[in-house]
Amino acid sequence: QLVQSGAEVKKPGASVKVSCKASGYTFTTYGISWVRQAPGQGLEWMGWISTYNGNTNYAQKFQGRVTMTTDTSTSTAYMELRSLRSDDTAVYYCAKGRGFGVRWPFDYWGQGTLVTVSS
Amino acid sequence: DIQMTQSPSSLSASVGDRVTITCQASQDITNYLIWYQQKPGKAPKLLIYDASNLETGVPSRFSGSGSGTDFTFTISSLQPEDIATYYCQQYDNLPFTFGPGTKVDIK
Repeated sequence: QLVQSGAEVKKPGASVKVSCKASGYTFTTYGISWVRQAPGQGLEWMGWISTYNGNTNYAQKFQGRVTMTTDTSTSTAYMELRSLRSDDTAVYYCAKGRGFGVRWPFDYWGQGTLVTVSS
Repeated sequence: DIQMTQSPSSLSASVGDRVTITCQASQDITNYLIWYQQKPGKAPKLLIYDASNLETGVPSRFSGSGSGTDFTFTISSLQPEDIATYYCQQYDNLPFTFGPGTKVDIK
């Protein structure tokens, strides 16, 4: 349903762009959130994008550093995180919302993409 | 931001035991509460939404209750395949926030 791009290793200060390709449903009907999980830690919501019109809502913690986009022609969502730091090392997940807007449970998740930030 | 707390942080129980996890929100979230199960190396899986609604295909031994700020998640008869970490999440207010998780294993 949601297939993410492969693991990345980045240096501090660099950017990473993770993709999430959807299949098996009408892409523009359901929003996509991005959630990350640092090694051995809990889950952290980063933000949401409407696949219908591209509207976004980012967690304040990531404002200015994250950009979420979609390509409806390929049913793919993207999350770009800039100015990477070592504490950005985490598994990044995309998650499909159950409904059109932002306030829905996440009923399908991608397999996760490990981003390692190291000099 | 709404803070979510869970207790206990971990527990060990025998197969067939009843297991209960609690989740508390720092402010009223009505029933906008989800429970996820996460097994090692896997993505979270939706179990319960709107505090008490069982997701399609999820075994009936899982249940949830509560409203406002206090919520409970129960496994009525623990099975070996239930070994996982369980997270609550509020989706009443942005940013969505998760509890720290409860790790469940077999005694």
